[in-house]
Amino acid sequence: EPEVTQTPSHQVTQMGQEVILRCVPISNHLYFYWYRQILGQKVEFLVSFYNNEISEKSEIFDDQFSVERPDGSNFTLKIRSTKLEDSAMYFCASRVDTGNTIYFGEGSWLTVV
Amino acid sequence: GIQVEQSPPDLILQEGANSTLRCNFSDSVNNLQWFHQNPWGQLINLFYIPSGTKQNGRLSATTVATERYSLLYISSSQTTDSGVYFCAVGDYGQNFVFGPGTRLSVLP
Repeated sequence: EPEVTQTPSHQVTQMGQEVILRCVPISNHLYFYWYRQILGQKVEFLVSFYNNEISEKSEIFDDQFSVERPDGSNFTLKIRSTKLEDSAMYFCASRVDTGNTIYFGEGSWLTVV
Repeated sequence: GIQVEQSPPDLILQEGANSTLRCNFSDSVNNLQWFHQNPWGQLINLFYIPSGTKQNGRLSATTVATERYSLLYISSSQTTDSGVYFCAVGDYGQNFVFGPGTRLSVLP
């Protein structure tokens, strides 16, 4: 079965540093998503991306966050100046269209110290 | 936006027992998926089931879209079934919202 792949699997960063989390969605998919999950809590929507632009974002996705599809295959999430409360598992997801299965990557665990 | 509720929040079973997990949602959906989050944090896609019934081995799911609920059945539970089960639903736009999850513990 095709997979969404994410790198790194785990990153530890100092507070205030910039972090880029990378995702390779499934090749024929058109809709891309980032979610996060703080340890022990629910999975929260961050942002959706379609046709090279953000289509929806949550209140969590503030000016510290940005997304990009730099080369037609990768989909990145950047956190400009990390805070302790950004420590979480970040999931990338993709799907062909809005009526189909969403496939999730294995997640990138970010620890901010 | 769509609200998603799951019950029960926690469930403890003996190995071999059966269980039913429930997901209620507040609006019409065109996507509903059940996930199992394993101890390593991975979200394992169990079912894509916006309506109807599906079965996969010991697991089955039923969604009654007109009544805005879905059920996940686990039969003959095993210790490896332990983890958190999430229901997530999508409306006719791009929203895809997770419920709070049911934490299942299967004891040997």
